[in-house]
Amino acid sequence: GQNIDQPTEMTATEGAIVQINCTYQTSGFNGLFWYQQHAGEAPTFLSYNVLDGLEEKGRFSSFLSRSKGYSYLLLKELQMKDSASYLCAVMDSNYQLIWGAGTKLIIKP
Amino acid sequence: DSGVTQTPKHLITATGQRVTLRCSPRSGDLSVYWYQQSLDQGLQFLIQYYNGEERAKGNILERFSAQQFPDLHSELNLSSLELGDSALYFCASSAGGEASEQYFGPGTRLTVT
Repeated sequence: GQNIDQPTEMTATEGAIVQINCTYQTSGFNGLFWYQQHAGEAPTFLSYNVLDGLEEKGRFSSFLSRSKGYSYLLLKELQMKDSASYLCAVMDSNYQLIWGAGTKLIIKP
Repeated sequence: DSGVTQTPKHLITATGQRVTLRCSPRSGDLSVYWYQQSLDQGLQFLIQYYNGEERAKGNILERFSAQQFPDLHSELNLSSLELGDSALYFCASSAGGEASEQYFGPGTRLTVT
């Protein structure tokens, strides 16, 4: 079957760095997406990786290793507004998105 | 603002009733997706339409149905509602090409009493 694993919850301190991991097993691979979702709001697109390596976008970076079925989202200089759920989603061979359950990130002052 | 609109924002109804949720995709997007998200749960993919045709089906109950119209807006019909159907229902759209990101609407919060 298809499976995406992320930690359920993480806690970090304002100003620090946090890494949210995602491992996947899917039928084929056509890219991996990260979304941010604040409670009660719609998910918003953060990043897309299809090749191995690191993609940097401001305070957020996303890494992919296709051979290991592994990705991480790195958030630097954490701000209180970064408290949200972070969703990992993989596009399979049929170009369907398989969603992880999300990681709830709690930022403490 | 993602450019995806959903109506209504909130809906309160009784068990056994039927409701229709509406979604207008971003201008130019051909694909529409419907998701259900219960309280503190992950996104559950329900169904996808591409240019008026059903393209993929997820965990959609038989009591639920959807369609995409020629102007590309979509409707999700939920019937014989149960308490467990209370959730946030999101619509998302994408350009429709392979590996394009999805843009989500603000959601419709359905409460079944």
